[in-house]
Amino acid sequence: KAGVTQTPRYLIKTRGQQVTLSCSPISGHRSVSWYQQTPGQGLQFLFEYFSETQRNKGNFPGRFSGRQFSNSRSEMNVSTLELGDSALYLCASSLGTGTPSAETQYFGPGTRLLVL
Amino acid sequence: GIQVEQSPPDLILQEGANSTLRCNFSDSVNNLQWFHQNPWGQLINLFYIPSGTKQNGRLSATTVATERYSLLYISSSQTTDSGVYFCAVERGYNFNKFYFGSGTKLNVKP
Repeated sequence: KAGVTQTPRYLIKTRGQQVTLSCSPISGHRSVSWYQQTPGQGLQFLFEYFSETQRNKGNFPGRFSGRQFSNSRSEMNVSTLELGDSALYLCASSLGTGTPSAETQYFGPGTRLLVL
Repeated sequence: GIQVEQSPPDLILQEGANSTLRCNFSDSVNNLQWFHQNPWGQLINLFYIPSGTKQNGRLSATTVATERYSLLYISSSQTTDSGVYFCAVERGYNFNKFYFGSGTKLNVKP
């Protein structure tokens, strides 16, 4: 079974631009979560999607948004990029059924975003 | 949110040595997972262990939920064990909103 894939793997943008990152979950997984990882703040939860619905979100400004498609693939968008948005963005997939043992998180390789 | 503290923050081992990594959390949780992040950033799930003990090869983990801590044991360490180890917890079923600790950075020297 193929793992979680993320594209692109690396991105360089300038301040003020916007960016879209993509995540394809493991086949059969319907929950996709996004995390931001920075040296200063560590791993922080951005949001989670299940069946095209955002079920939870973290404490990030509205510039960070996401969506999920009917095939469970997910995208996240960051508008008006700031220098502080430079980070590794990770997505994780799980079954999403709500049974804790079924919610083992499988992470993709991440997208490294550098904002200049 | 839940506070998750990991110790030690850094650990240097000689190949073949054993180690214990600790994760303390501030509230009751229904989901606790350990991850290994390799030098390229890939997070690999090691254990789902909200309570009890599990073993997988040279790795084992124990969570004492009533005392709000979890331990990850690495025996006969290898250079490929190097990287950062994270524990992550979820309180209740919160739609996979996990709180991560700051990690233990392990360097295994040959």
